[in-house]
Amino acid sequence: EVQLVESGGGLVQPGESLRLSCAASGFTFSDHYMDWVRQAPGKGLEWVGRTRDKGKSYTTEYAASVKGRFTISRDASGNSLYLQMNSLRTEDSALYYCVRSGAVAANYHYMDVWGKGTTVTVSS
Amino acid sequence: DIQMTQSPSSLSASIGDTITITCRASQGIRNYLAWFQQKSGKAPESLIYAASSLQSGVPSRFSGSGSGTDFTLTISGLQPEDFATYYCQQGHSYPLTIGGGTKVELK
Repeated sequence: EVQLVESGGGLVQPGESLRLSCAASGFTFSDHYMDWVRQAPGKGLEWVGRTRDKGKSYTTEYAASVKGRFTISRDASGNSLYLQMNSLRTEDSALYYCVRSGAVAANYHYMDVWGKGTTVTVSS
Repeated sequence: DIQMTQSPSSLSASIGDTITITCRASQGIRNYLAWFQQKSGKAPESLIYAASSLQSGVPSRFSGSGSGTDFTLTISGLQPEDFATYYCQQGHSYPLTIGGGTKVELK
């Protein structure tokens, strides 16, 4: 069974850092693109960023709102995805989801499995 | 960035109704469109990818269509478990963008 379990959320002050983790199981982690998607309280979904698969050297893409502050990485030896969040702002407060992506074409990767999320609150 | 606009933002329907949700992209995205369902207090679930392909395990009452800029999600014969918020998402170019959502409520 494919599973994604996020952890690492919490309460931090503006300007501080936090690292989220996502433990993946039930599939070949290195073969899949992986995304982070967030949802502020009472709001819609917002894509945060993506890491490509091993074949694409795990390269990354980010939303403009987090570029330069957030970094997505993977555990090279395990099945974990990370989101390093620096210089956090109050507007980064959200439920953060780890999402696996499948592929139907070389240039189309679609989100297919979601974790339950971990909550980040940025407040003074 | 490609803007994804969903309509309506909310709708009321009864059990057994057929409903259609529209998603429009600000530029052509081929068929690189996905639909998600999110029930209250739960994580989203993936319903459809490539505009019309159902994810494994998704009931056949869900269907998607469209290409280019205009897409639809249709639920034929609403069931109690279908009352939720639905989102469309384009996978054509970065940054990936997601529509604002359509909340389907019980009339």
